[in-house]
Parts: sequence; C-alpha cells; structure tokens
Amino acid sequence: KNEVEQSPQNLTAQEGEFITINCSYSVGISALHWLQQHPGGGIVSLFMLSSGKKKHGRLIATINIQEKHSSLHITASHPRDSAVYICAGTNLQGAQKLVFGQGTRLTINP
Amino acid sequence: DAGVIQSPRHEVTEMGQEVTLRCKPISGHNSLFWYRQTMMRGLELLIYFNNNVPIDDSGMPEDRFSAKMPNASFSTLKIQPSEPRDSAVYFCASSLVRGRVETQYFGPGTRLLVL
Repeated sequence: KNEVEQSPQNLTAQEGEFITINCSYSVGISALHWLQQHPGGGIVSLFMLSSGKKKHGRLIATINIQEKHSSLHITASHPRDSAVYICAGTNLQGAQKLVFGQGTRLTINP
Repeated sequence: DAGVIQSPRHEVTEMGQEVTLRCKPISGHNSLFWYRQTMMRGLELLIYFNNNVPIDDSGMPEDRFSAKMPNASFSTLKIQPSEPRDSAVYFCASSLVRGRVETQYFGPGTRLLVL
C-alpha cells in the first residue's frame, strides 16, 4: 500500500467551479507537499505544510494531522488550472525524502 | 536566478549505450534530488545528496545507475548500459535545507527514450 493516496485520479469540471483534491497519508509522514505539473511537464511546488492551512491566490491547502488527511482547493477554477496535482509526503526517518501520490489529473473546461 | 538547469532536455539512445544526465542546482542550495517519472510508477526518488554527499540511494534501480555530485553546482546521473525500461522523464530538484523540511525546486526534466 502506498504511503500517500490521492483521490480522485481524474477530475473534470467547468470553469468557475470549486475544486477539491484529497490526499491521505500513513503514519510517519511529517509534512505534506502539493505539486503542480503542467502539460508541458514542468513541476512546481505549490505548498508545503505540516499543520493548519495555507493560501496562495485561489489555491488553498489544508491538513488535518489527526486524520492524516490533506486537501487542495481551487476557487473560481480556470482552464489554466488544468494540470496534474501531486501530493507528496516527507517521512520522519528521511526528512527530505518525498513519497509521492499517484497524482490527480484536473481538466477545467471553458 | 535561472532555476535548476538540466541537460540534455531530450535524449534518444539505443539499448546498451551509456547515458549521462546533468543537473545544475540553484546557487546556494545544499540538497539535490534525482527523480524518475513514468506512466506506470509515477514519480520516484532515485537518490539525494546533502552538501554533495549521497544520503539515500535506496531508490536507485540497480547497479546500472550511478550518481555523483563532485561539487555544489553540478551533479550527474549515469545509466550504463541503458535499457528500454529506463525510458522516462528524469527530474533534478534542489532545496536549501536548514534543519527542517524545505520546498524543493524542480528542473525542467530530461526526457529519455531508449530504443
């Protein structure tokens, strides 16, 4: 079983919709990273969090340590948000070592 | 800053040939990571360095893979001999680690095709 599980694997929505991508992780994960990979292939780090909530523009990331769950939300989604969103955890033993979820392919239609 | 630089961006080679991928981390960063991405397995960590020293190479698939970091501004990932199953996108990332987990900055990747 993967240490980091994402859902859904694919998500299609209309422009303007509120988007939620979920990530569950196993014991030993100390921090969660959310990454964005555009169709061109480049990977950008969006957030890194170990507690609470972080916001950047229309993107919000939350984490619930007790439930070992994190969510990435996109408000007022736009076609340019179409990308693969990847959740990754760093574990307590190898603090910098990222363990990746399978990714969520998001498509926002105009 | 130019960000993490990788070369080549694309590489097509024949099975059995040696392949060398190169990475220049962001200046001042002290950690460097090599990742591989395939459709089947997604993103996987191959190896990472702290202050030019390999810390965890448990993700390196087999002896055909080797990585070096001779100085703070350069790293190589070598595959010898290459096999078709090595076809993937290889990413290099760097970060500035100051005693806790930090954001990693990814390079554009090298798309490798082994025929």
